[in-house]
Amino acid sequence: SAVISQKPSRDICQRGTSLTIQCQVDSQVTMMFWYRQQPGQSLTLIATANQGSEATYESGFVIDKFPISRPNLTFSTLTVSNMSPEDSSIYLCSSGRGQGETQYFGPGTRLLVL
Amino acid sequence: GNSVTQMEGPVTLSEEAFLTINCTYTATGYPSLFWYVQYPGEGLQLLLKATKADDKGSNKGFEATYRKETTSFHLEKGSVQVSDSAVYFCALSVNAGNMLTFGGGTRLMVKP
Repeated sequence: SAVISQKPSRDICQRGTSLTIQCQVDSQVTMMFWYRQQPGQSLTLIATANQGSEATYESGFVIDKFPISRPNLTFSTLTVSNMSPEDSSIYLCSSGRGQGETQYFGPGTRLLVL
Repeated sequence: GNSVTQMEGPVTLSEEAFLTINCTYTATGYPSLFWYVQYPGEGLQLLLKATKADDKGSNKGFEATYRKETTSFHLEKGSVQVSDSAVYFCALSVNAGNMLTFGGGTRLMVKP
C-alpha cells in the first residue's frame, strides 16, 4: 500500500491569507487527487493533479482559488488562496494508479480560518 | 452521473450487536466499490473493496458483497466492538482516473 504524508497536519489562519498544503507519496503514482471535507460532511473532490499538465477541477472549484502543482510523480501541493471562514475544512490528498486500484489517503490537513 | 447513497446516522449499537450499513449506487459504467473508515481525529482508511459483481470484500470482521442487480454494497459485521466507533463512507470509482464518488457517511457509535 502507498504511504502518503501531508504537511501541515493542521493550521489556524487569518482571513485573506493563503496556505499551501504539501502531499508526498512514497512511490511514483499517475494520479493524485485533492478532496475537501467540510465539518460533519462527506468528501468532495476538488481536482485531479496530473503530472506534466494542468490540474482538472471539478464543478464549483477554480484554479484561482485552489492552485495546484504537480512537479513530479510523488509530490503535489494545493494552495487555498484568499481564505475565508467558509474554507475551514479538512483537506485530503490521495493517490491511485488506474481503474480498480485502491486509492490511499493522506492523514489530512485540518484548516481553521478565523 | 455517479452517486452513492448510504443510510444516515448516527447508528448506535451495543457491543456485540449485528451491524448493517446500507449503501446503494448509480454509475455510468462498471464501478469498483469501496468502504472507507474514518476514526475520530484521523484520516481515511480503506476498509474493504470489490471490483466486480458478486465479489465479497472483507476485512477486520466486516464484509460487503457487490450486488449488481440491486446496485448495492451493504456493509455488515456480525459483532461490533467499541473500537469500531467511527464514520463509514461508501464510495465508487469508474473508468480510468480512479477518482472516488463518496456517500454522505454514516457515524457508528458502539456502547459497552
